[in-house]
Amino acid sequence: DVVMTQTPVSLSVNLGGQASISCRSSQSLVHSNGNTYFHWYLQKPGQSPQLLIYRVSHRFSGVPDRFSGSGSGTDFTLKITRVEPEDLGDYYCLQSTHFPLTFGSGTKLEIK
Amino acid sequence: QVQLKESGPGLVQPSQTLSLTCTVSGFSLTTYNVHWVRQPPGKGLEWMGRMRYNGDTSYNSALKSRLSISRDTSKNQVFLKVDSLQTDGTGTYYCTRENWELFDFWGQGVMVTVSS
Repeated sequence: DVVMTQTPVSLSVNLGGQASISCRSSQSLVHSNGNTYFHWYLQKPGQSPQLLIYRVSHRFSGVPDRFSGSGSGTDFTLKITRVEPEDLGDYYCLQSTHFPLTFGSGTKLEIK
Repeated sequence: QVQLKESGPGLVQPSQTLSLTCTVSGFSLTTYNVHWVRQPPGKGLEWMGRMRYNGDTSYNSALKSRLSISRDTSKNQVFLKVDSLQTDGTGTYYCTRENWELFDFWGQGVMVTVSS
């Protein structure tokens, strides 16, 4: 199975500041069709996960441009600029290139 | 609008079978895949398996021998069964719709406790 190593475990950021979360996979996430099925989800407290970024860098509908994704192959990053109170929660990366699908262990974002 | 709702027993005895139902509305099970994801208390997310639009299934190899996913398209329902559930099966179980590999809609989740 593909292991997704997500860092840091937790992050405390000032309002208006910037956050960066990394996710590394144990093997390349480039599919044989050339696409990279790597995504970011946010789980706000007491809620179900919600999609933020799909296929590395594409923002899902309604996601503010403060969120951006980058990376390739095995190394990926989620950046959040101008952090707002509504951004707090647990962030998870997910790969769906290989079966079984696997999630990162999560990063808890706290607002100072 | 698109909705998914999980239902099932909140308490399961160790070594018993867990049966959950995901009832969907606003889309057809013959057009979209539906996945199951679980989350132990205070921990991360684990993909369990999926029901494809054409009735095919895929399972997490770690659970495969104990896991079964089925559906009733006439009732817009997808079912999850996990045999021989132990205490590590305690957690919140979610169903989610896959839309071109994106999990775009999720149910609210159902909490299951495995305890005698």
